[in-house]
Amino acid sequence: GDSVIQMQGQVTLSENDFLFINCTYSTTGYPTLFWYVQYSGEGPQLLLQVTTANNKGSSRGFEATYDKGTTSFHLQKTSVQEIDSAVYYCAMSDNMGYKLTFGTGTSLLVDP
Amino acid sequence: GALVYQYPRRTICKSGTSMRMECQAVGFQATSVAWYRQSPQKTFELIALSTVNSAIKYEQNFTQEKFPISHPNLSFSSMTVLNAYLEDRGLYLCGARAVIANTEVFFGKGTRLTVV
Repeated sequence: GDSVIQMQGQVTLSENDFLFINCTYSTTGYPTLFWYVQYSGEGPQLLLQVTTANNKGSSRGFEATYDKGTTSFHLQKTSVQEIDSAVYYCAMSDNMGYKLTFGTGTSLLVDP
Repeated sequence: GALVYQYPRRTICKSGTSMRMECQAVGFQATSVAWYRQSPQKTFELIALSTVNSAIKYEQNFTQEKFPISHPNLSFSSMTVLNAYLEDRGLYLCGARAVIANTEVFFGKGTRLTVV
């Protein structure tokens, strides 16, 4: 079945550091890939959607791309801020686009 | 804008009892509603996916007998956790999507279930 692997469980950075989070996916279909962010006490919110390989999505200073050849997709931000501290989840939807499979999440802590 | 409200936000139930949680979509028509559970130290497990005018599809390890779901219209869904035990504790999230597939899924803030 579909699966998403997110290896980095916790990342601690200082303000203005570079952020890079990577996920790999496995599916038999044509996935749509997402990055969600979950702040403390909140439900997950869509940060970025990436639908075309090698094309970038961007939002709030974050960029996401995916590589069909390596079945990987990543999230990056050039200069993180303390308000970016949250848990980031990669996710993939199935062919029909209704079911989301989530990675295990990366908890980002940005020290001021 | 599109919002999803879940209630209650937190609940405590005794082991062996049942608990019902609700999900309300505001500002869009929730054709598809997915219920997830986020257990401590785990990611989001899909419990079931409900699409209006289609049968509710449960994932492996989750059954209608344990987690009955109602999705009577395009703005409301509810799920009950029957006969709750310790392993059922966690944050239950409702994710709703409008008519077109691969559009954004809007999540509520969840119902946190504690079983004592």
